[in-house]
Amino acid sequence: KNQVEQSPQSLIILEGKNCTLQCNYTVSPFSNLRWYKQDTGRGPVSLTIMTFSENTKSNGRYTATLDADTKQSSLHITASQLSDSASYICVVSGDYGQNFVFGPGTRLSVLP
Amino acid sequence: DAGITQSPRHKVTETGTPVTLRCHQTENHRYMYWYRQDPGHGLRLIHYSYGVKDTDKGEVSDGYSVSRSKTEDFLLTLESATSSQTSVYFCAISVGGPTYEQYFGPGTRLTVT
Repeated sequence: KNQVEQSPQSLIILEGKNCTLQCNYTVSPFSNLRWYKQDTGRGPVSLTIMTFSENTKSNGRYTATLDADTKQSSLHITASQLSDSASYICVVSGDYGQNFVFGPGTRLSVLP
Repeated sequence: DAGITQSPRHKVTETGTPVTLRCHQTENHRYMYWYRQDPGHGLRLIHYSYGVKDTDKGEVSDGYSVSRSKTEDFLLTLESATSSQTSVYFCAISVGGPTYEQYFGPGTRLTVT
């Protein structure tokens, strides 16, 4: 069964600290992996998209990694800010991008 | 937000009544999607469209139908609303094709009493 798992379920960190969120997937075939940020009451917003051949991609303070062999991805947030408080969702896409499998998300809270 | 709007943004309805949610885009993208989001679940695909009058079912399509008579509008209909369809519904588009960037609308919060 195609599945995406994320850990931890929730995370609390202090402003200025770094953190890493994990994503494991069993989706096959694989087309690409995406990380989204979803603020409360809003739709998800794309942070990165990685294909099979990419193992790192950055977007400002966000850096995503992908290990297609072990089917794992991580999202590293550097020097966290209060505005980073949100849910972070890992999404894996299969054939032709029509099979989007969403993870349950990690809820990140950044405290002052 | 790639010019995506959803209407209504909030709706309360009674069990057994039909409900139609509208997604409107301003940029003529071919691929459009409807998802639902529930606590403890990731977003789940209900239906998607790859062109005018071209639609297909997603993971959780039972009890839902869609129509796309114009490129810019994708309608989601709950034929007879049930309490299990209480959820937040998101519309999305893919820019450049289904494997490319996906943009989401602001969501519609639907409560079925």
